[in-house]
Amino acid sequence: GDSVTQMEGPVTLSEEAFLTINCTYTATGYPSLFWYVQYPGEGLQLLLKATKADDKGSNKGFEATYRKETTSFHLEKGSVQVSDSAVYFCALRGNQAGTALIFGKGTTLSVSS
Amino acid sequence: EAGVAQSPRYKIIEKRQSVAFWCNPISGHATLYWYQQILGQGPKLLIQFQNNGVVDDSQLPKDRFSAERLKGVDSTLKIQPAKLEDSAVYLCASSKGPAGGENEQFFGPGTRLTVL
Repeated sequence: GDSVTQMEGPVTLSEEAFLTINCTYTATGYPSLFWYVQYPGEGLQLLLKATKADDKGSNKGFEATYRKETTSFHLEKGSVQVSDSAVYFCALRGNQAGTALIFGKGTTLSVSS
Repeated sequence: EAGVAQSPRYKIIEKRQSVAFWCNPISGHATLYWYQQILGQGPKLLIQFQNNGVVDDSQLPKDRFSAERLKGVDSTLKIQPAKLEDSAVYLCASSKGPAGGENEQFFGPGTRLTVL
């Protein structure tokens, strides 16, 4: 079945460092891909998405490109801030109506000043 | 606009007891989802409603879990009897249209269940 694999955490960075969180997927057809973020004490929020190959999703300085050839959707940010400390989840959704989100295990990011 | 509301936020019970969670989706959202998030894992869909009908409950342990969405608005998720492995955060989400396409899911803050 469909699945998502993302890099294990925690990831610990200093402020202004470059961030990459790797995400690869297994799916039939052409799924939509997502990154969700969960800040401490809050619910999951959609960070960005891409619905077809070569699309780039971006939001709040974060970017991810849908790479079908490598089945990847890595999350990047050029300069992280302390406020980016959170848990990040990669997810996919199949392209058939009614299909649910399938999440990776999450990667905890901790940014220190 | 108000977000997805869930209650209670925390619940501690002993195994074999029963428990119920409540969710109020964003007004006008047709689709409602319940997810289970075990510590260290990503959320896993338990059940998906569109209006008051079940779209997908293939991963719901039906021997102990039940859910309903009366009148196509609020929903309750019940566990009876609870087991230790049910300790998790239960997330409710809603979306304006059916799953798939461009319909973003909005998540509530979750209910953290601890089974002793």
